[in-house]
Amino acid sequence: DAGITQSPRHKVTETGTPVTLRCHQTENHRYMYWYRQDPGHGLRLIHYSYGVKDTDKGEVSDGYSVSRSKTEDFLLTLESATSSQTSVYFCAALGLAGSTDTQYFGPGTRLTVL
Amino acid sequence: DQQVKQNSPSLSVQEGRISILNCDYTNSMFDYFLWYKKYPAEGPTFLISISSIKDKNEDGRFTVFLNKSAKHLSLHIVPSQPGDSAVYFCAAAANFGNEKLTFGTGTRLTIIP
Repeated sequence: DAGITQSPRHKVTETGTPVTLRCHQTENHRYMYWYRQDPGHGLRLIHYSYGVKDTDKGEVSDGYSVSRSKTEDFLLTLESATSSQTSVYFCAALGLAGSTDTQYFGPGTRLTVL
Repeated sequence: DQQVKQNSPSLSVQEGRISILNCDYTNSMFDYFLWYKKYPAEGPTFLISISSIKDKNEDGRFTVFLNKSAKHLSLHIVPSQPGDSAVYFCAAAANFGNEKLTFGTGTRLTIIP
């Protein structure tokens, strides 16, 4: 499972408040990702990182920012949460599965914005 | 614009029978395809993959078939077991690189005992 943990696992917040979700990995993987999962949309990429301080946008990046100051930690920040950001958020890292790399996912964070 | 489509949101199959999950894609640059399985309250887990240089890949009870001309892939599970009940996501990548995946919307498979 690439040693991926996410915190918090559940969070309820109010519209307009800032929220930071943390992803931590223990396997020194270079690539890390943040996805959101919503009914009817599957998994959509928010942002990803290809190294310390190296990040790029995914398909649904508006309203989100990320930071990666250490290899093991990848933070997702909602500067001012909105109800449309109520979702389940998954972190992933690219690790070796047999002879090929594949993305391994954390357990998820369920975020509710009231 | 959904580049990877799973047109069946749900599927029910009798235990012991074959489960067939389908996935279609529109981007001709996709050349590597994966299936993930997801249980409730857990993250997706990698199940099986296939490169576009192959048309079939097997791993135990799971086989993935790729039809490049039709831009279609399918996952076969034989025989289906109750523990296979989960949501299955199809994903695709371009340039043989798994750094960026595009996921489908998922199919919920229910195995009936």
